[in-house]
This record gives sequence, structure tokens and C-alpha cells, in this order.
Amino acid sequence: GAVVSQHPSWVICKSGTSVKIECRSLDFQATTMFWYRQFPKQSLMLMATSNEGSKATYEQGVEKDKFLINHASLTLSTLTVTSAHPEDSSFYICSARAGGTGSTFGSGTRLTVV
Amino acid sequence: GENVEQHPSTLSVQEGDSAVIKCTYSDSASNYFPWYKQELGKGPQLIIDIRSNVGEKKDQRIAVTLNKTAKHFSLHITETQPEDSAVYFCAATPRSSYKLIFGSGTRLLVRP
Repeated sequence: GAVVSQHPSWVICKSGTSVKIECRSLDFQATTMFWYRQFPKQSLMLMATSNEGSKATYEQGVEKDKFLINHASLTLSTLTVTSAHPEDSSFYICSARAGGTGSTFGSGTRLTVV
Repeated sequence: GENVEQHPSTLSVQEGDSAVIKCTYSDSASNYFPWYKQELGKGPQLIIDIRSNVGEKKDQRIAVTLNKTAKHFSLHITETQPEDSAVYFCAATPRSSYKLIFGSGTRLLVRP
């Protein structure tokens, strides 16, 4: 079945620095990738939708200059959290869609900003 | 836009019993309804899904039913096992996009 690899699984960074999270579709080409944020004991909140070769579409309230998304190829999307602050600490999850409607999720990245 | 409500927020059952989780959606144009299982510290895993042209789907101990008129769908797990303990999310996809709109989640505990 479809496999999505997300790295790193966890990262700790200092306040003010930037962190990049990678999402790769291993055995299929992903026409669309999605980035979610999940706080403890809460649901997944969609941050943005990215299509290969075009700019990401951000959900209302998500700062596009803070959460930079690049979808340079059909198998790779990256999320960069710029100038991270403690309130950005969260669980970030990507998903990838090849065609049809279903999406496959990555294993998530636990970001802690200290 | 689409809004998905999920109940209950927590569910505790005895091993071997059945568990039912219910979701309602607001957008009648939504046409795809997946269910995900999420274990602690991991990403969600698709366990079953149903499309709007189908009323019921079953995969071994797991089944999903869809009532388009009432705009609700349910997850049924029979013969529950301790390894079924996790958080379960329902989701809906509006016809106009491929976004997944998630419910708030149900924490299922199966007591041995």
C-alpha cells in the first residue's frame, strides 16, 4: 500500500530558529500533499494544501510567512517553521494523495521549541 | 464550509463487546467519509472508508454505515480487543475539494 515517510519524528529547537520537516511519498507520486497540526488530545487541523509545482493554499488563520511549504516534486513536500516560538510546539503531520480521494498520513513530527 | 461532529469523546468497553462511534456532517455535497485510528505519538491510519453512493461497508470486525439523508455515519467495531484501544477520528471530504475535515476524535479504551 501507499507509504508516506515523514522526518524527523521529533525535533527540539531554540526559540527564534527555523525547523524543516520533510514529507515523502515512497511508492507513489503525490499530486497533493496536506499539512496538519495537532495539539495534545485534540483533532487534526488542516494548515495548508500543496500541489506540486504551485504555491500552497493556506487555511484561514495560518501564517504563510511563518509556515513555509515547498512541494518541489511529486514525492516531496517540506514544511519550514520559521522563527519558531514556544507556542509553535505541536505535533505536525503530513498526508499525501495520489489520485482518487484517499490520503495516506505520515508518522508525524513532534516539535518542541525551547 | 463542512463541519463534522463526533460522539462520544470517550468510550470504554469490555473486551469482546461492540463499540459504536457516530459522526454527523453539515455539507450535503460531501462524498467521502474515512475513519482513522491514531495511536499515541503516531500519525492516523486509515481503517475503513465509505463513499456517498454506498450505505454500508464491512471489513472483518469493522463496519461503517452512512445515512445521507440524515447526514450521519457511524463506525462499528465488533469483538473488541485491547489492541483496538486508540483514538478514532471520522472525517468528511467536500465534493469541491480533497480536504479532509476531521471530527473531534473518540478515545476508545477496551478493558481486558
